[in-house]
Amino acid sequence: RKEVEQDPGPFNVPEGATVAFNCTYSNSASQSFFWYRQDCRKEPKLLMSVYSSGNEDGRFTAQLNRASQYISLLIRDSKLSDSATYLCVVNTGTYKYIFGTGTRLKVLA
Amino acid sequence: EPEVTQTPSHQVTQMGQEVILRCVPISNHLYFYWYRQILGQKVEFLVSFYNNEISEKSEIFDDQFSVERPDGSNFTLKIRSTKLEDSAMYFCASSGLAALKGDFGPGTRLTVL
Repeated sequence: RKEVEQDPGPFNVPEGATVAFNCTYSNSASQSFFWYRQDCRKEPKLLMSVYSSGNEDGRFTAQLNRASQYISLLIRDSKLSDSATYLCVVNTGTYKYIFGTGTRLKVLA
Repeated sequence: EPEVTQTPSHQVTQMGQEVILRCVPISNHLYFYWYRQILGQKVEFLVSFYNNEISEKSEIFDDQFSVERPDGSNFTLKIRSTKLEDSAMYFCASSGLAALKGDFGPGTRLTVL
């Protein structure tokens, strides 16, 4: 099983739609979880950290399910500018971040 | 807002040559990382560095690679005897605490011919 697994997509959605991505991780000792966004040929940028209680930042909501070892990202009211690759990132408390392959999102006008 | 910077933005080299990729982490950060991303593939961890020594490294980070913090501000990745398959985007990252988010630099695109 891959350390961090994501559906690569692409997810093609119309503007204004709600879209959700899931990510599973294999190491039950994982401690920190993040969603990063990566635009084409650019560096990953932190979108949001994911907390056990779930957290929201504007149109973005992240959830963590430790029992099932998955995290999710929900984007409401999609904008054209949301088109990017969304990277699930996990830290086991060691000195490295493990990246998923990313899920491509394309928001269509 | 402070940022991680990397130079050069693009490095072209001949197979077999040595390259040094440079990074200036955020000044009060303590943990430093190198990642690479081969075109079309996922971001892969190479190495982490704390307190002037390697904390963790992946299986990719073999004897061909080395890291150094030569002067308290720069953090370098040296790749000896480059191979075609070393062509990738190399990202430096730094963080204040190990388990918190890493701030990534804009990357250096390495092309090995």
